Amino acid sequence: TQLLEQSPQFLSIQEGENLTVYCNSSSVFSSLQWYRQEPGEGPVLLVTVVTGGEVKKLKRLTFQFGDARKDSSLHITAAQPGDTGLYLCAGALYSGAGSYQLTFGKGTKLSVIP
Amino acid sequence: NAGVTQTPKFQVLKTGQSMTLQCAQDMNHEYMSWYRQDPGMGLRLIHYSVGAGITDQGEVPNGYNVSRSTTEDFPLRLLSAAPSQTSVYFCASSPPRQSRYGYTFGSGTRLTVV
Repeated sequence: TQLLEQSPQFLSIQEGENLTVYCNSSSVFSSLQWYRQEPGEGPVLLVTVVTGGEVKKLKRLTFQFGDARKDSSLHITAAQPGDTGLYLCAGALYSGAGSYQLTFGKGTKLSVIP
Repeated sequence: NAGVTQTPKFQVLKTGQSMTLQCAQDMNHEYMSWYRQDPGMGLRLIHYSVGAGITDQGEVPNGYNVSRSTTEDFPLRLLSAAPSQTSVYFCASSPPRQSRYGYTFGSGTRLTVV
């Protein structure tokens, strides 16, 4: 059973269009992180949202954490070819050892066509 | 530059061979983990460590061993490689109790078992 459902799995859009990626779960997370991964490289952290209802903006990217801390969305305005990549959401759950583990969604592969 | 270093970048093994994937970080992070990334499966946790001398299993630990003798290093051992272990392996580290800082990933090891 996939703990985090990410959709869509693939997205191909024209430069200048807007898009939204969704990350949903039945579990409550301590925080939700979004990563971007380029071919041949490891994921790179974009943002962490911690508080239910929190909205964070990173230039043309807007991240929102659901009120119940079970879901999140990533909205990109006026997409550019440089936004092409694999976008991963990850939910943080604290373990008994005082640390936390990340559970990842399967990712959204975004292609922005010039 | 501070970060997570993985070696080798690429490796081809024959079924039954053993090898060690190396991971080192210079950020004094207590938490380190190993993930494998397969098409359509996302990132899955193999093993993790919350500090030197402490390791635990993740979602898919079978066929892999780890140890953590120092804060900096967290090697992953394949004792008898199988074709099902063909994958891209990522090592990640983070401060242990602050999920807002996210994980720092290495650039990965692409392993093929023939």
